[in-house]
Amino acid sequence: DGGITQSPKYLFRKEGQNVTLSCEQNLNHDAMYWYRQDPGQGLRLIYYSQIVNDFQKGDIAEGYSVSREKKESFPLTVTSAQKNPTAFYLCASSISSGSRYNEQFFGPGTRLTVL
Amino acid sequence: SQKIEQNSEALNIQEGKTATLTCNYTNYSPAYLQWYRQDPGRGPVFLLLIRENEKEKRKERLKVTFDTTLKQSLFHITASQPADSATYLCALERESGGGADGLTFGKGTHLIIQP
Repeated sequence: DGGITQSPKYLFRKEGQNVTLSCEQNLNHDAMYWYRQDPGQGLRLIYYSQIVNDFQKGDIAEGYSVSREKKESFPLTVTSAQKNPTAFYLCASSISSGSRYNEQFFGPGTRLTVL
Repeated sequence: SQKIEQNSEALNIQEGKTATLTCNYTNYSPAYLQWYRQDPGRGPVFLLLIRENEKEKRKERLKVTFDTTLKQSLFHITASQPADSATYLCALERESGGGADGLTFGKGTHLIIQP
Protein backbone atom coordinates (compact mmCIF):
# COMPACT_ATOMS: atom_id res chain seq x y z
CA ASP A 1 0.00 0.00 0.00
CA GLY A 2 1.58 3.27 -1.11
CA GLY A 3 1.31 6.35 1.00
CA ILE A 4 2.78 8.76 3.50
CA THR A 5 3.29 7.94 7.14
CA GLN A 6 3.90 10.37 9.96
CA SER A 7 4.87 9.54 13.48
CA PRO A 8 4.01 9.95 16.19
CA LYS A 9 0.33 10.89 15.93
CA TYR A 10 0.47 12.86 19.19
CA LEU A 11 3.58 14.43 20.67
CA PHE A 12 4.08 16.33 23.87
CA ARG A 13 7.11 18.50 24.49
CA LYS A 14 8.35 20.58 27.34
CA GLU A 15 9.33 24.16 26.63
CA GLY A 16 12.97 24.48 25.63
CA GLN A 17 13.21 21.01 24.10
CA ASN A 18 13.84 20.19 20.47
CA VAL A 19 11.61 17.52 18.92
CA THR A 20 11.75 15.70 15.57
CA LEU A 21 8.69 14.70 13.57
CA SER A 22 9.00 11.80 11.17
CA CYS A 23 7.67 11.68 7.60
CA GLU A 24 8.17 8.74 5.23
CA GLN A 25 6.71 8.11 1.77
CA ASN A 26 6.84 5.08 -0.51
CA LEU A 27 5.22 6.78 -3.51
CA ASN A 28 8.59 7.45 -5.21
CA HIS A 29 7.78 11.15 -5.22
CA ASP A 30 10.55 13.70 -5.72
CA ALA A 31 9.05 16.60 -3.78
CA MET A 32 8.13 16.68 -0.10
CA TYR A 33 6.64 19.40 2.08
CA TRP A 34 5.93 20.34 5.67
CA TYR A 35 2.89 22.44 6.58
CA ARG A 36 1.60 23.71 9.87
CA GLN A 37 -2.13 24.09 10.63
CA ASP A 38 -3.53 26.12 13.52
CA PRO A 39 -7.22 26.11 14.54
CA GLY A 40 -9.30 28.11 12.08
CA GLN A 41 -6.27 28.75 9.88
CA GLY A 42 -5.16 27.52 6.52
CA LEU A 43 -2.11 25.34 6.07
CA ARG A 44 1.15 27.31 6.05
CA LEU A 45 4.28 26.05 4.35
CA ILE A 46 7.32 25.54 6.60
CA TYR A 47 9.91 23.86 4.36
CA TYR A 48 9.95 21.98 1.08
CA SER A 49 12.34 19.78 -0.82
CA GLN A 50 12.28 19.16 -4.56
CA ILE A 51 15.12 16.66 -4.59
CA VAL A 52 17.36 14.68 -2.25
CA ASN A 53 19.99 16.74 -0.41
CA ASP A 54 18.24 20.00 -1.23
CA PHE A 55 15.50 21.97 0.55
CA GLN A 56 14.11 25.50 0.69
CA LYS A 57 12.44 27.64 3.32
CA GLY A 58 8.73 28.14 3.03
CA ASP A 59 6.69 30.98 4.46
CA ILE A 60 7.24 30.27 8.18
CA ALA A 61 10.63 28.51 8.47
CA GLU A 62 11.92 30.30 11.57
CA GLY A 63 12.43 27.91 14.47
CA TYR A 64 12.34 24.80 12.29
CA SER A 65 14.95 22.68 10.51
CA VAL A 66 14.77 19.79 8.03
CA SER A 67 16.98 17.29 6.22
CA ARG A 68 16.51 15.26 3.04
CA GLU A 69 19.15 12.55 3.02
CA LYS A 70 16.90 9.95 1.42
CA LYS A 71 14.16 10.30 -1.18
CA GLU A 72 11.67 8.57 1.11
CA SER A 73 12.27 10.61 4.24
CA PHE A 74 11.87 14.28 5.21
CA PRO A 75 12.06 14.75 9.01
CA LEU A 76 11.15 18.07 10.61
CA THR A 77 12.81 19.34 13.80
CA VAL A 78 10.93 21.86 15.88
CA THR A 79 13.57 23.74 17.83
CA SER A 80 13.31 25.67 21.07
CA ALA A 81 13.54 28.84 18.97
CA GLN A 82 10.01 28.27 17.65
CA LYS A 83 7.87 30.56 19.81
CA ASN A 84 4.47 28.91 19.32
CA PRO A 85 5.09 25.29 18.37
CA THR A 86 1.74 23.86 19.46
CA ALA A 87 -0.03 22.97 16.18
CA PHE A 88 -1.04 20.21 13.79
CA TYR A 89 1.86 19.34 11.48
CA LEU A 90 1.22 17.86 8.06
CA CYS A 91 3.71 16.28 5.68
CA ALA A 92 2.95 15.99 1.97
CA SER A 93 4.58 14.80 -1.23
CA SER A 94 4.10 15.28 -4.96
CA ILE A 95 5.55 13.70 -8.09
CA SER A 96 7.26 16.94 -9.27
CA SER A 97 10.04 16.21 -11.79
CA GLY A 98 9.38 19.21 -13.95
CA SER A 99 5.59 19.12 -14.01
CA ARG A 100 3.87 22.20 -12.70
CA TYR A 101 0.45 20.65 -12.19
CA ASN A 102 0.98 18.28 -9.30
CA GLU A 103 -1.51 17.28 -6.66
CA GLN A 104 -0.19 16.78 -3.17
CA PHE A 105 -0.61 13.66 -1.07
CA PHE A 106 -0.81 14.26 2.65
CA GLY A 107 0.08 12.16 5.65
CA PRO A 108 -2.22 11.74 8.67
CA GLY A 109 -0.50 14.52 10.63
CA THR A 110 1.23 14.90 14.00
CA ARG A 111 -0.38 16.95 16.73
CA LEU A 112 2.33 18.63 18.79
CA THR A 113 1.54 20.11 22.17
CA VAL A 114 4.03 22.10 24.22
CA LEU A 115 3.46 21.75 27.94
CA SER B 1 1.46 38.83 -1.25
CA GLN B 2 -1.07 36.17 -2.16
CA LYS B 3 -4.36 36.24 -0.34
CA ILE B 4 -7.06 33.56 -0.51
CA GLU B 5 -10.54 34.00 0.93
CA GLN B 6 -13.05 31.26 1.58
CA ASN B 7 -16.36 31.46 3.43
CA SER B 8 -15.04 31.06 6.94
CA GLU B 9 -18.43 30.27 8.44
CA ALA B 10 -20.03 26.86 8.27
CA LEU B 11 -22.29 26.17 5.32
CA ASN B 12 -25.42 24.16 6.09
CA ILE B 13 -27.09 22.40 3.17
CA GLN B 14 -30.00 19.99 3.08
CA GLU B 15 -29.28 16.51 1.77
CA GLY B 16 -29.93 16.18 -1.94
CA LYS B 17 -29.33 19.85 -2.69
CA THR B 18 -26.30 21.36 -4.43
CA ALA B 19 -23.62 22.84 -2.19
CA THR B 20 -21.61 25.73 -3.64
CA LEU B 21 -18.38 26.90 -2.03
CA THR B 22 -16.47 30.02 -3.03
CA CYS B 23 -12.76 30.74 -3.24
CA ASN B 24 -11.54 34.26 -4.04
CA TYR B 25 -7.93 35.29 -4.42
CA THR B 26 -6.03 38.54 -4.87
CA ASN B 27 -2.64 39.88 -5.83
CA TYR B 28 -1.72 36.98 -8.05
CA SER B 29 -2.58 35.13 -11.25
CA PRO B 30 -2.00 31.44 -10.57
CA ALA B 31 -1.56 28.90 -13.32
CA TYR B 32 -3.91 26.53 -11.49
CA LEU B 33 -6.10 26.09 -8.47
CA GLN B 34 -6.74 22.97 -6.40
CA TRP B 35 -9.48 21.80 -4.04
CA TYR B 36 -8.95 19.46 -1.11
CA ARG B 37 -11.22 17.82 1.45
CA GLN B 38 -10.17 17.59 5.10
CA ASP B 39 -11.92 15.58 7.79
CA PRO B 40 -11.36 16.40 11.50
CA GLY B 41 -7.94 15.35 12.73
CA ARG B 42 -6.83 14.07 9.31
CA GLY B 43 -4.67 15.22 6.44
CA PRO B 44 -6.27 16.87 3.39
CA VAL B 45 -7.23 14.71 0.42
CA PHE B 46 -6.90 16.02 -3.13
CA LEU B 47 -10.14 16.39 -5.10
CA LEU B 48 -9.65 18.43 -8.26
CA LEU B 49 -7.13 20.62 -10.08
CA ILE B 50 -8.21 23.20 -12.63
CA ARG B 51 -5.81 25.09 -14.89
CA GLU B 52 -6.06 28.76 -15.81
CA ASN B 53 -7.12 27.93 -19.37
CA GLU B 54 -9.93 25.64 -18.18
CA LYS B 55 -13.31 27.12 -17.34
CA GLU B 56 -14.82 24.05 -15.74
CA LYS B 57 -13.80 20.61 -14.50
CA ARG B 58 -16.01 17.73 -13.35
CA LYS B 59 -15.48 14.56 -11.37
CA GLU B 60 -18.52 12.47 -10.49
CA ARG B 61 -20.73 14.77 -8.36
CA LEU B 62 -18.09 17.47 -8.13
CA LYS B 63 -17.71 20.49 -10.40
CA VAL B 64 -15.16 23.28 -10.23
CA THR B 65 -15.14 26.53 -12.17
CA PHE B 66 -12.24 28.96 -12.51
CA ASP B 67 -12.80 32.59 -13.52
CA THR B 68 -9.42 34.28 -13.85
CA THR B 69 -11.05 37.65 -14.56
CA LEU B 70 -13.05 37.61 -11.34
CA LYS B 71 -10.18 35.78 -9.56
CA GLN B 72 -12.67 33.29 -8.26
CA SER B 73 -13.30 29.56 -8.18
CA LEU B 74 -16.61 27.91 -7.35
CA PHE B 75 -16.79 24.34 -6.05
CA HIS B 76 -20.09 22.50 -6.42
CA ILE B 77 -21.26 19.22 -4.91
CA THR B 78 -24.48 18.02 -6.52
CA ALA B 79 -26.93 15.61 -4.87
CA SER B 80 -25.15 16.25 -1.56
CA GLN B 81 -25.01 13.53 1.09
CA PRO B 82 -24.25 13.63 4.84
CA ALA B 83 -20.95 11.86 4.02
CA ASP B 84 -19.91 14.99 2.11
CA SER B 85 -19.74 16.90 5.41
CA ALA B 86 -16.14 18.06 5.86
CA THR B 87 -13.92 21.12 5.50
CA TYR B 88 -13.05 22.00 1.93
CA LEU B 89 -9.79 23.80 1.21
CA CYS B 90 -8.90 25.92 -1.79
CA ALA B 91 -5.20 26.08 -2.71
CA LEU B 92 -3.09 27.96 -5.25
CA GLU B 93 0.44 27.44 -6.41
CA ARG B 94 2.73 29.69 -4.44
CA GLU B 95 3.66 33.04 -5.87
CA SER B 96 7.17 31.78 -6.62
CA GLY B 97 5.49 29.98 -9.49
CA GLY B 98 7.37 26.71 -9.54
CA GLY B 99 5.17 23.66 -9.60
CA ALA B 100 7.03 21.97 -6.76
CA ASP B 101 7.31 25.02 -4.51
CA GLY B 102 4.30 24.13 -2.40
CA LEU B 103 0.81 25.57 -2.15
CA THR B 104 -0.89 28.51 -0.46
CA PHE B 105 -4.12 27.41 1.23
CA GLY B 106 -7.29 29.21 2.19
CA LYS B 107 -8.73 28.72 5.67
CA GLY B 108 -11.37 26.34 4.36
CA THR B 109 -15.15 26.17 4.44
CA HIS B 110 -16.85 23.79 6.86
CA LEU B 111 -19.69 22.11 4.98
CA ILE B 112 -22.50 20.38 6.87
CA ILE B 113 -25.03 18.29 4.96
CA GLN B 114 -28.14 17.76 7.03
CA PRO B 115 -30.30 14.66 6.50
